[in-house]
Amino acid sequence: KAGVTQTPRYLIKTRGQQVTLSCSPISGHRSVSWYQQTPGQGLQFLFEYFSETQRNKGNFPGRFSGRQFSNSRSEMNVSTLELGDSALYLCASSLTEGVNTEAFFGQGTRLTVV
Amino acid sequence: DQQVKQNSPSLSVQEGRISILNCDYTNSMFDYFLWYKKYPAEGPTFLISISSIKDKNEDGRFTVFLNKSAKHLSLHIVPSQPGDSAVYFCAAEKTSGSRLTFGEGTQLTVNP
Repeated sequence: KAGVTQTPRYLIKTRGQQVTLSCSPISGHRSVSWYQQTPGQGLQFLFEYFSETQRNKGNFPGRFSGRQFSNSRSEMNVSTLELGDSALYLCASSLTEGVNTEAFFGQGTRLTVV
Repeated sequence: DQQVKQNSPSLSVQEGRISILNCDYTNSMFDYFLWYKKYPAEGPTFLISISSIKDKNEDGRFTVFLNKSAKHLSLHIVPSQPGDSAVYFCAAEKTSGSRLTFGEGTQLTVNP
């Protein structure tokens, strides 16, 4: 079956703009989480959605937001982009929201803010 | 506050030898630990995990050891192969929540 699909793969935006990233989870998976990866920082948790509801949120400013649709697809939005938002944004899907559930990652969206 | 730390940004080993990747955590509420491997331009892929009720879990060439008293876990790869060259992330989670907390990652290079 198809894996986690993230679009677009690459993006270049200007400071002050806003951006929307998309994630389609594995068919049947209902939980979607978003992570930001920057050099030296590992993967920082952004938020998690399950059944269209945000279940967990990381320590990111309100410029970062997301949502999940009834088909479990998720979008992440970043408004008023800053240079420091340049990163690889990874989406992970899992079957349920419970712990010990293996998360499957997409290839990520590489965002560059100039 | 980095609750999961991988203090070695890089590790280089010879093919056939053992690779040992280390991870420390500070939050005693973590009770499940995972290792992910990441190749360039790809998302992380799950490698192996261990529950806090165990101190060792083995899967082929990969073994994870957990020392709860020291809040330390390690991943052993024996024998190491050039295809193992990747960034390895340690991650932890709590029973009460499903979010993963990741370390910074360690770049493993296995030389032929």
